[in-house]
Amino acid sequence: ETGVTQTPRHLVMGMTNKKSLKCEQHLGHNAMYWYKQSAKKPLELMFVYSLEERVENNSVPSRFSPECPNSSHLFLHLHTLQPEDSALYLCASSQDSEGQGNEQFFGPGTRLTVL
Amino acid sequence: GQNIDQPTEMTATEGAIVQINCTYQTSGFNGLFWYQQHAGEAPTFLSYNVLDGLEEKGRFSSFLSRSKGYSYLLLKELQMKDSASYLCAVRDSNYQLIWGAGTKLIIKP
Repeated sequence: ETGVTQTPRHLVMGMTNKKSLKCEQHLGHNAMYWYKQSAKKPLELMFVYSLEERVENNSVPSRFSPECPNSSHLFLHLHTLQPEDSALYLCASSQDSEGQGNEQFFGPGTRLTVL
Repeated sequence: GQNIDQPTEMTATEGAIVQINCTYQTSGFNGLFWYQQHAGEAPTFLSYNVLDGLEEKGRFSSFLSRSKGYSYLLLKELQMKDSASYLCAVRDSNYQLIWGAGTKLIIKP
């Protein structure tokens, strides 16, 4: 495996379910990100981890809970979601969270539908 | 507030040239990125500008004017595979990326 991988690619869940999204990066990067992408809207940054420490939490509802057990893995735990949470959830990584350059490499995303 | 503006949609002809503009108002500036995103796929990095001027990479070029808060992505010799959304993003003073909503580029034969 190379680059950034995400599982599952598609997820349909009810509002009372609990599920988790998984992201893995094989690039040796130190920073990882969760984004939400809704149709015709800018990418919304949800969480940033640098060296396994959370450095950014952009007022995301508590029904989204991130976990970063090591620098290669990132999870997004979901519980009691709302239909408006349906979107594409993208994971990304970069060498560092600061510094010049540092382009982000994205995974293919998880298409989430909340019924 | 912070804001990135780019056209919602553009149409161009195969073999032609198209320029996609991006204007920004952010708290500080630490570089501007362009990404390409095909439908149903992940965004992929195209270019990075931190100093004023033109950066050329094959058929794609990106220009930056920091004093005007303005950038453009220039695509030459358009091919059908260039049909995609093009995302402009600016890194602010906190090194956080602020994203535009993207420009959907439609290429016609």
